[in-house]
Amino acid sequence: GENVEQHPSTLSVQEGDSAVIKCTYSDSASNYFPWYKQELGKRPQLIIDIRSNVGEKKDQRIAVTLNKTAKHFSLHITETQPEDSAVYLCAARGGGTGNQFYFGTGTSLTVIP
Amino acid sequence: DGGITQSPKYLFRKEGQNVTLSCEQNLNHDAMYWYRQDPGQGLRLIYYSQIVNDFQKGDIAEGYSVSREKKESFPLTVTSAQKNPTAFYLCASSRLGLETQYFGPGTRLLVL
Repeated sequence: GENVEQHPSTLSVQEGDSAVIKCTYSDSASNYFPWYKQELGKRPQLIIDIRSNVGEKKDQRIAVTLNKTAKHFSLHITETQPEDSAVYLCAARGGGTGNQFYFGTGTSLTVIP
Repeated sequence: DGGITQSPKYLFRKEGQNVTLSCEQNLNHDAMYWYRQDPGQGLRLIYYSQIVNDFQKGDIAEGYSVSREKKESFPLTVTSAQKNPTAFYLCASSRLGLETQYFGPGTRLLVL
């Protein structure tokens, strides 16, 4: 099955700086990669996603890049704000027929005012 | 994701007891999923279902059971065989195909 690794596990940045979180996956057939933001005790919320036929996608301060050859995808947050502090989860949808998603272990982002 | 509800918000289990977590969705999604989240770990898949009356085991199905009698409902039972059930349980649903999952608010299960 698919294996998703996420780095770093914790990340602290100064307000206004950029943050980058990287995930690697093992199954070259994986075809869909969402990113979720999860605040403490709350449900994960989708913030951006990318499909395997696209290399980059942006939404205001958030962007995701995908490198299919290297099998990794990254989340980029620019001009970070304290409200960006949360756990960020990456996921990959496996290439089989099971519609199964595989999640990374999460990155705890702290934005220091 | 407001169309997915989970109950209860907190659940306490005694030793040897089976407990059932509820998950309902009104999004007309075909697929439903149960995940377990432990501190410092990501989401681990327990069971998922793509169609009524059919479901598949995920990576950590031992000690859990599910049913899918209706499209809208996918309850999870934590059996006494699950020796370490304390965790945050998340239900999710999605359309089939390249569609993302939307999560319910979660149930926190604690052992007395």
